[in-house]
Amino acid sequence: DQQVKQNSPSLSVQEGRISILNCDYTNSMFDYFLWYKKYPAEGPTFLISISSIKDKNEDGRFTVFLNKSAKHLSLHIVPSQPGDSAVYFCAAIYSGNTPLVFGKGTRLSVIA
Amino acid sequence: DVKVTQSSRYLVKRTGEKVFLECVQDMDHENMFWYRQDPGLGLRLIYFSYDVKMKEKGDIPEGYSVSREKKERFSLILESASTNQTSMYLCASSRTSGRGEEETQYFGPGTRLLVL
Repeated sequence: DQQVKQNSPSLSVQEGRISILNCDYTNSMFDYFLWYKKYPAEGPTFLISISSIKDKNEDGRFTVFLNKSAKHLSLHIVPSQPGDSAVYFCAAIYSGNTPLVFGKGTRLSVIA
Repeated sequence: DVKVTQSSRYLVKRTGEKVFLECVQDMDHENMFWYRQDPGLGLRLIYFSYDVKMKEKGDIPEGYSVSREKKERFSLILESASTNQTSMYLCASSRTSGRGEEETQYFGPGTRLLVL
């Protein structure tokens, strides 16, 4: 059973608009959440993270929101750019118990 | 900056061959991981290691083994390659701190393996 779920395999957004990628989790022990971005033929790169004691973390165009009661997090990209087209993986961990648990990813296409 | 390197970007092998994939990290991380990525299946954990000479099975260890003789190096071994092991293989490393925010995994560039 999947502990971290990304229910949308793909998403298309127009350049300049907001991209919202969603992630749900089932394990209430998770206390830290991460988003990774992956281009084809490259390894995933860390994008942004959030601790369970926060509900929002912002880094430039990227914002992650966490709703602990709903066990849901989302990544907002504003404004979306063609270079943001990639696969985005949501991941979760509970401290001291590696490894990360990954979702299956969402492929974002930003159309110019 | 954390650097994780993998020995090959692309590899073509024949069914039945023994295959070695090497991974090296330069940040003195305790933990190292091997994943494979396949379309629609996301990142699946094969093996990981918390320390030198230690290994733990991940979600899909069958057909693979690993070796960690030095802290910075983690090798994935396909004892007898099969066509269903054609995939993108990703190595990652992280530190152990007991605090989630310090345990971010850093990935290498990946090895795309084709087994014919």
